[in-house]
Amino acid sequence: DGGITQSPKYLFRKEGQNVTLSCEQNLNHDAMYWYRQDPGQGLRLIYYSQIVNDFQKGDIAEGYSVSREKKESFPLTVTSAQKNPTAFYLCASSIWGNGNTIYFGEGSWLTVV
Amino acid sequence: SQELEQSPQSLIVQEGKNLTINCTSSKTLYGLYWYKQKYGEGLIFLMMLQKGGEEKSHEKITAKLDEKKQQSSLHITASQPSHAGIYLCGADGTSYGKLTFGQGTILTVHP
Repeated sequence: DGGITQSPKYLFRKEGQNVTLSCEQNLNHDAMYWYRQDPGQGLRLIYYSQIVNDFQKGDIAEGYSVSREKKESFPLTVTSAQKNPTAFYLCASSIWGNGNTIYFGEGSWLTVV
Repeated sequence: SQELEQSPQSLIVQEGKNLTINCTSSKTLYGLYWYKQKYGEGLIFLMMLQKGGEEKSHEKITAKLDEKKQQSSLHITASQPSHAGIYLCGADGTSYGKLTFGQGTILTVHP
């Protein structure tokens, strides 16, 4: 089936550790995105990528890093520099450009313990 | 930057009742998207509106974009418990493909 797969669904991190969230899509989409969702705040854009080997910061990129070595994959690393990483993370993909639907994965919960 | 405000923030209705959720933008909307989300899950695409005055329907859900392209409404007719969830509007800003989202409206439907 075509879609976006995020893993793991639940992740616990100790303070000071980096963690990487996986996002894979088989929709042949050029663009991929990472959003963070906190209660009552909607979704905020962390990073996005229009094409392989290129990515841009979103509104809240500090403390995060990404890579785009393959069209299908856009992993997000939450670094120890992120002061408040506990949140729900959503990966998305689309054909690049206005008017194209953005499709979302099922999300990953990250909790710092 | 573009900001979207949704109202109401939460809504509780009895099954069978109609309801409306609004999404207002601080700037002209180039594209307005409606998504539904179950808590802790991904977003499900409902509809996308681009033209002023446009209206789309899917089953019992109708979305409209006003002529000035700064406000959209989502209307559910004869609500059912399956309609419960979080409804989010998202908008294309000046940068292609990046969506800005409203804070969401939590809908509860009592049987």
